[in-house]
Amino acid sequence: NAGVTQTPKFRILKIGQSMTLQCTQDMNHNYMYWYRQDPGMGLKLIYYSVGAGITDKGEVPNGYNVSRSTTEDFPLRLELAAPSQTSVYFCASSYARTGGQETQYFGPGTRLLVL
Amino acid sequence: GDSVTQMEGPVTLSEEAFLTINCTYTATGYPSLFWYVQYPGEGLQLLLKATKADDKGSNKGFEATYRKETTSFHLEKGSVQVSDSAVYFCALSGWTGNQFYFGTGTSLTVIP
Repeated sequence: NAGVTQTPKFRILKIGQSMTLQCTQDMNHNYMYWYRQDPGMGLKLIYYSVGAGITDKGEVPNGYNVSRSTTEDFPLRLELAAPSQTSVYFCASSYARTGGQETQYFGPGTRLLVL
Repeated sequence: GDSVTQMEGPVTLSEEAFLTINCTYTATGYPSLFWYVQYPGEGLQLLLKATKADDKGSNKGFEATYRKETTSFHLEKGSVQVSDSAVYFCALSGWTGNQFYFGTGTSLTVIP
């Protein structure tokens, strides 16, 4: 069981370039999330999805886009990379039900450097 | 809205010392509470959880009790090891189930 996988592990981008961070989960979870973690800081939610075709903004969505065409995949798109987007990005998934969620499972992260 | 307030770090302890990391929360309804651990260079892993008042979560010698009267979920370990050096995050899953709320993390370093 692979759990949550993310690619790439590390990427350097130039200002203005675009890229897609990939996230796949094989646990049939309905909820998926994207977080960013800046050095010495906690996690900030970028976007989340409650199921295929349904996404919503989190705390820091500006500069990012997402889509959810399947239960398994939840890619994060950066259209015009900026130095402020230098961070470590974590994808997570969980099985949510009425009255609360089960545990969130995290991928290993993607380290992004924008120069 | 729902939120989690976590003890500021960093924390440095000697091996075999007692550990407490404080966590308090604000939430409506009946949230679930979690402690996650992040080892250097890795993603977050679930350490323990509690889903209702007075529940005690435990794992790898760590414990935390869900206290509704004090809205707290403090993490404790009786005797820390060097291998416990990591960043610890307190988290809350709200009653509506849409989002998790994470604390800012507490960095723990255990020295031999």
